[in-house]
Amino acid sequence: SQKIEQNSEALNIQEGKTATLTCNYTNYSPAYLQWYRQDPGRGPVFLLLIRENEKEKRKERLKVTFDTTLKQSLFHITASQPADSATYLCALDEDTDKLIFGTGTRLQVFP
Amino acid sequence: NAGVTQTPKFQVLKTGQSMTLQCAQDMNHNSMYWYRQDPGMGLRLIYYSASEGTTDKGEVPNGYNVSRLNKREFSLRLESAAPSQTSVYFCASGSGLGKLFFGSGTQLSVL
Repeated sequence: SQKIEQNSEALNIQEGKTATLTCNYTNYSPAYLQWYRQDPGRGPVFLLLIRENEKEKRKERLKVTFDTTLKQSLFHITASQPADSATYLCALDEDTDKLIFGTGTRLQVFP
Repeated sequence: NAGVTQTPKFQVLKTGQSMTLQCAQDMNHNSMYWYRQDPGMGLRLIYYSASEGTTDKGEVPNGYNVSRLNKREFSLRLESAAPSQTSVYFCASGSGLGKLFFGSGTQLSVL
């Protein structure tokens, strides 16, 4: 079966450290992979998109890597802050215009 | 700009009742989506519409119907609500470049 896996356990880190979240997938050949942030009681908000021919993408303190051989994406937040605490979701295109999401990983950044 | 607007924000139904969740976007996007989000299950795609006049099933379409009324509006109907449909429902729209914009969600309880 097709699956997108994210660590269901919360990730707790200290302020200032780098947070690394993992997204693994099986049986897909996505053209791109995306990361979203979701705060409690709110809808997800788009952060970054990386295409299959890109190895790495950066935006401010965020960095995403995409390894189509390993079928894995890593999402990094450098110099993390308590305001980065949220659930982070990865998503990929199962088909044109059809976006499928992982279960999300909750990040908690402690002062 | 309002972005993606969903109504209602909260709803309580009795088993067997019907209701329609409304969604409208003002970004002139072609694609629109309905997801449900349950604890531990992540976002699951119910139905999507790649363009006005077309709709397609997602991962969990059973018990739901949709209407793409025009380019702006995409409604989700529960004909006979069941307790298993208790969830948070999110509408989203996209321009076809991958990035989705989400509404603030509808919390539905079916008793």
